[in-house]
Amino acid sequence: AQTVTQSQPEMSVQEAETVTLSCTYDTSESDYYLFWYKQPPSRQMILVIRQEAYKQQNATENRFSVNFQKAAKSFSLKISDSQLGDAAMYFCALGINDMRFGAGTRLTVKP
Amino acid sequence: DTGVSQDPRHKITKRGQNVTFRCDPISEHNRLYWYRQTLGQGPEFLTYFQNEAQLEKSRLLSDRFSAERPKGSFSTLEIQRTEQGDSAMYLCASSLMSRIQFFGPGTRLTVL
Repeated sequence: AQTVTQSQPEMSVQEAETVTLSCTYDTSESDYYLFWYKQPPSRQMILVIRQEAYKQQNATENRFSVNFQKAAKSFSLKISDSQLGDAAMYFCALGINDMRFGAGTRLTVKP
Repeated sequence: DTGVSQDPRHKITKRGQNVTFRCDPISEHNRLYWYRQTLGQGPEFLTYFQNEAQLEKSRLLSDRFSAERPKGSFSTLEIQRTEQGDSAMYLCASSLMSRIQFFGPGTRLTVL
């Protein structure tokens, strides 16, 4: 069975600071992708960053980066220089044929 | 590229009625997915299509739910004899033979 666990229901960060959102997953597959999606209030899901499991190098997209630890089945998201527009629900997802999502972490950014 | 579109955006219905939602994927995408999202939770996988073939269905997809993608383009999700527990956001996503899924805005269903 594929499962995704986000252990932080809520996180808060000061504007311009750095925050890390945690995610662990479980799968017996060797070929998979991992994703972080952002869902602002009442708005649609937006892809933030993705990581192919066969790649050892951690993905980076501007202020967003991941720490992918395959053996530990851990996939955390680091947001640097946090901005007010980063406030949203963040979902970690495991993609094989379908997508399994965690329960989400609500990120608040304080001015 | 107009993105994934869903119609309607909101639907209010009475318990026991049937409802149908439509999803139009990104035009060249051959895979289409349906998810259900309840308040405060992550999306839960319902089913997915590759072209017109329905390849996987979740146990969440009871016999009251049916999905079609007749010509491999748009898809419909029908819920028969709706129940209050069906109230949720229904999300559609599409992809092009990759694991990167692009989501639509969703259809919010309220069953009274």
